[in-house]
Amino acid sequence: DTGVSQDPRHKITKRGQNVTFRCDPISEHNRLYWYRQTLGQGPEFLTYFQNEAQLEKSRLLSDRFSAERPKGSFSTLEIQRTEQGDSAMYLCAGRQGSIGELFFGEGSRLTVL
Amino acid sequence: DAKTTQPNSMESNEEEPVHLPCNHSTISGTDYIHWYRQLPSQGPEYVIHGLTSNVNNRMASLAIAEDRKSSTLILHRATLRDAAVYYCILRPTTSGTYKYIFGTGTRLKVLA
Repeated sequence: DTGVSQDPRHKITKRGQNVTFRCDPISEHNRLYWYRQTLGQGPEFLTYFQNEAQLEKSRLLSDRFSAERPKGSFSTLEIQRTEQGDSAMYLCAGRQGSIGELFFGEGSRLTVL
Repeated sequence: DAKTTQPNSMESNEEEPVHLPCNHSTISGTDYIHWYRQLPSQGPEYVIHGLTSNVNNRMASLAIAEDRKSSTLILHRATLRDAAVYYCILRPTTSGTYKYIFGTGTRLKVLA
């Protein structure tokens, strides 16, 4: 158990709907990452927070995706107007300090019908 | 972005050592080498990381070439629970990016 929890674990939605995922790292994780993973591929970087500041965002991330980390604690990832290509596992990871290991949650699996 | 190259898959017999190679010829002097593994239906799990010197922990050893252009993750005695996808990642510290870039990794199969 890494201490990073994600909710929901599974989400099935229809194309065009909005979805939101939540990540709760442990309190010591002042750094937080979101990744997306499709079948047979490694995780793909989406965005990075240091405390509440979003310091890096993938150029591949369309404007339908938005992430927040109010107060530097939990984080949310919202996908608006979902498309079938958004079907993937969305992974959150926390880290303490600038150099160190990432602690991943178990992910939120999205299926867009 | 600095890239790593790993074999797609490897096999090992249970209780034998496993050497998982990684090439990173474009590594810069301040990039850390990280290894993660991912078991089926789980998020990636940290294994080990290093900068220049070889590193050991309870899970594995990391051997880094003198020129740092390659590294090897060593599992001293493979068990069935070690069957996973292993990712070798370069973690830049001075290039202004914070991301860990995962490739497709090496799928390790452990034979009983």
